Amino acid sequence: EAGVAQSPRYKIIEKRQSVAFWCNPISGHATLYWYQQILGQGPKLLIQFQNNGVVDDSQLPKDRFSAERLKGVDSTLKIQPAKLEDSAVYLCASSLDVGGVEQYFGPGTRLTVT
Amino acid sequence: AQSVAQPEDQVNVAEGNPLTVKCTYSVSGNPYLFWYVQYPNRGLQFLLKYITGDNLVKGSYGFEAEFNKSQTSFHLKKPSALVSDSALYFCAVRDPRGNQGGKLIFGQGTELSVKP
Repeated sequence: EAGVAQSPRYKIIEKRQSVAFWCNPISGHATLYWYQQILGQGPKLLIQFQNNGVVDDSQLPKDRFSAERLKGVDSTLKIQPAKLEDSAVYLCASSLDVGGVEQYFGPGTRLTVT
Repeated sequence: AQSVAQPEDQVNVAEGNPLTVKCTYSVSGNPYLFWYVQYPNRGLQFLLKYITGDNLVKGSYGFEAEFNKSQTSFHLKKPSALVSDSALYFCAVRDPRGNQGGKLIFGQGTELSVKP
């Protein structure tokens, strides 16, 4: 079984630029999560999708962050414009459904904003 | 508010010795509890979970964890540490109630270092 795929693995941009991350969850997994992991901290949920609908985006900075999962499969997370404090690893995870107990994580995208 | 605390930033253990990585939580009711491990430049890997039942749960790579409701703790343990266990360990809690099921609240992580 293929795991959660993410790209790119690394990205370096200047502040005020835009960036997009892509995630393809495990096949058949209805629920998809985007987490932000700042160095020295645990991951923090940004947004959770159930199929193509948003379940929780309460911690997503909506003035600069956006995410979509149009067909209920893969997802894109965008930052525009980026700030220095957005430097972090962005982790995508998936589970069978909202009640799915185990979440499976991708390798993450390490973003550096200079 | 739900929260998870890992009181130790780093744990140092000699190979072959037992190890414990501590975790306490604050959640109303009966939480779901998890341990994940993260190797450098890798995503989080699931180790084990507690949902209900026996307070001692066994997971991958010889790890186990003990759920203690009275102390609100879920410490990770292994009887004999290996150098290859050196990694960053995260405790997480999920509140199974409410309409936003699935969200994990993570601790800040504990760096485990096992020396030969």
